[in-house]
Amino acid sequence: AQSVTQPDIHITVSEGASLELRCNYSYGATPYLFWYVQSPGQGLQLLLKYFSGDTLVQGIKGFEAEFKRSQSSFNLRKPSVHWSDAAEYFCAVGAPSNAGKSTFGDGTTLTVKP
Amino acid sequence: NAGVTQTPKFQVLKTGQSMTLQCAQDMNHNSMYWYRQDPGMGLRLIYYSASEGTTDKGEVPNGYNVSRLNKREFSLRLESAAPSQTSVYFCASTGDRVNSPLHFGNGTRLTVT
Repeated sequence: AQSVTQPDIHITVSEGASLELRCNYSYGATPYLFWYVQSPGQGLQLLLKYFSGDTLVQGIKGFEAEFKRSQSSFNLRKPSVHWSDAAEYFCAVGAPSNAGKSTFGDGTTLTVKP
Repeated sequence: NAGVTQTPKFQVLKTGQSMTLQCAQDMNHNSMYWYRQDPGMGLRLIYYSASEGTTDKGEVPNGYNVSRLNKREFSLRLESAAPSQTSVYFCASTGDRVNSPLHFGNGTRLTVT
């Protein structure tokens, strides 16, 4: 069975500081990995995705994620956080043929201090 | 460029009442999904529809029914609402390409008292 663990429920960083959100997954085959962001009162928006190829993936809003098969991880990073990045972030894993049946992590809430 | 549209945005029901959540997408996607989001639990799949005329159960289908009315619309019905169904409900769709991601609506916040 597939599963996703986001170890950090809540992270607080200062504006301008770097950010890393952790994601560990369990999946029997080649995983299809996503990061989504959810602003208050909104639906989830795709930040980036990985299926194959370069293990460092660039996304929107200056985010990137690195796939590490040996560690079963897909951590999300941003070099310099902006106040507008405050939101909830979800990692998900699934089959390439059916993104809708992905398994989502429980989310990490990011607070940005001025 | 509407994407996925859900109605209503908010709803309060009494236990035992029924209601239908509406979802429509304008991206010509075949696959549509209903999720519920509860605090600290991420998203859980309720039902999905791989194409017009087909529906399948997801992880948490009990207490819900769905209808894929046409390619654009996928509705979720609560026949007899229970307090345990208090949640935020999201509709989503995906394209047909192998690595198509999910496109989400803005959600319906449902409270059952």
